[in-house]
Amino acid sequence: GAVVSQHPSRVICKSGTSVKIECRSLDFQATTMFWYRQFPKKSLMLMATSNEGSKATYEQGVEKDKFLINHASLTLSTLTVTSAHPEDSSFYICSAEPDSQPQETQYFGPGTRLLVL
Amino acid sequence: DAKTTQPPSMDCAEGRAANLPCNHSTISGNEYVYWYRQIHSQGPQYIIHGLKNNETNEMASLIITEDRKSSTLILPHATLRDTAVYYCIALILWSGGGADGLTFGKGTHLIIQP
Repeated sequence: GAVVSQHPSRVICKSGTSVKIECRSLDFQATTMFWYRQFPKKSLMLMATSNEGSKATYEQGVEKDKFLINHASLTLSTLTVTSAHPEDSSFYICSAEPDSQPQETQYFGPGTRLLVL
Repeated sequence: DAKTTQPPSMDCAEGRAANLPCNHSTISGNEYVYWYRQIHSQGPQYIIHGLKNNETNEMASLIITEDRKSSTLILPHATLRDTAVYYCIALILWSGGGADGLTFGKGTHLIIQP
């Protein structure tokens, strides 16, 4: 149980285009999901907290207009990288906290590798 | 959340117990110690967490010192697939309200040697 999926697993796009990444909790409901990014050989960095039915909370330094987050249902959160540029190339990872296990643990997706040319 | 300190890397022979230390000298009374690991190019995987008492599950054991200023994650019989970066995180579990995102440090790169 407690599986989180991400789609796509990797994407290559041209500079200036937008890319949408989906994060799904497959066998549990999650009011709260999180988005992280990771640069090569670096640790994960929390970008934002995604809450179903309300606006996402962004960490300091993360542009909310650049990284649009929509948490439309209890099993799906999406991250859209708008007008992507090469410096947005990174590994994006989501996590979800099961509503049935509040504040217990987060389960992570497999990550999405984005390359912007 | 309390800052945690871990050695940057460790080696362990396959089949032996891997003991990964973590210092969290500024941990507060309501902060739990969580361990995650990240195998190369994958999302992090939850391992175990605890508050005061030692904990054990199918993956590992967590030993927390009595003063809670440090802890050790033990992988009892390490395999090559345990090679990963292991993160120790101190986290408050709120009794109400939303959860918090995790603050990852640099972790310990554990290399299991054949």
